[in-house]
Amino acid sequence: DAKTTQPPSMDCAEGRAANLPCNHSTISGNEYVYWYRQIHSQGPQYIIHGLKNNETNEMASLIITEDRKSSTLILPHATLRDTAVYYCIVRVVMWSGGGADGLTFGKGTHLIIQP
Amino acid sequence: SQTIHQWPATLVQPVGSPLSLECTVEGTSNPNLYWYRQAAGRGLQLLFYSVGIGQISSEVPQNLSASRPQDRQFILSSKKLLLSDSGFYLCAWSRTDSNQPQHFGDGTRLSIL
Repeated sequence: DAKTTQPPSMDCAEGRAANLPCNHSTISGNEYVYWYRQIHSQGPQYIIHGLKNNETNEMASLIITEDRKSSTLILPHATLRDTAVYYCIVRVVMWSGGGADGLTFGKGTHLIIQP
Repeated sequence: SQTIHQWPATLVQPVGSPLSLECTVEGTSNPNLYWYRQAAGRGLQLLFYSVGIGQISSEVPQNLSASRPQDRQFILSSKKLLLSDSGFYLCAWSRTDSNQPQHFGDGTRLSIL
């Protein structure tokens, strides 16, 4: 089962900032928060990840609350091509050797950018 | 930069036929490799992962198998496909460093008739 909770859908106007929330109240101290998105019929695209500090890259910003129980993905200037399902994932360690770990995807948030 | 390739993009197979899906990664060495399946309207399910040549771990019992004959090549196979094997199959890679993100290919949409 996914360890995160996200709203099923959101709308955002083109050119505005899209703020996607995620709750992960049971996150452990050594678990990272990852964000991916999936456009219909394509593979998931990695966006950003973080542990406890806020992170920013060329695609988005990730804001993690101080207690780490929730986070927000921010797309600063949404375009129509940002319409996709966005997944917030807490990384599950499946191999104690620190090697390959599976990602558990929930249902995500369907973000629709309106023209 | 690193790239991941999957083929074919779509495949229609009859029940009972064999299957071979191939995934290759370029621009990196000794990656972790993964096979996932996404059934219609559902999330991704991890099927197999590999941390090196010949090293395969299976996450769920099923009609499928995986092999890693070369460092950057990952193959998903079946001897006899079932209707329930239909789905969207995704290959992914990651660096071996802890907590590095996984990067996915474009997937293969498999339909079993």
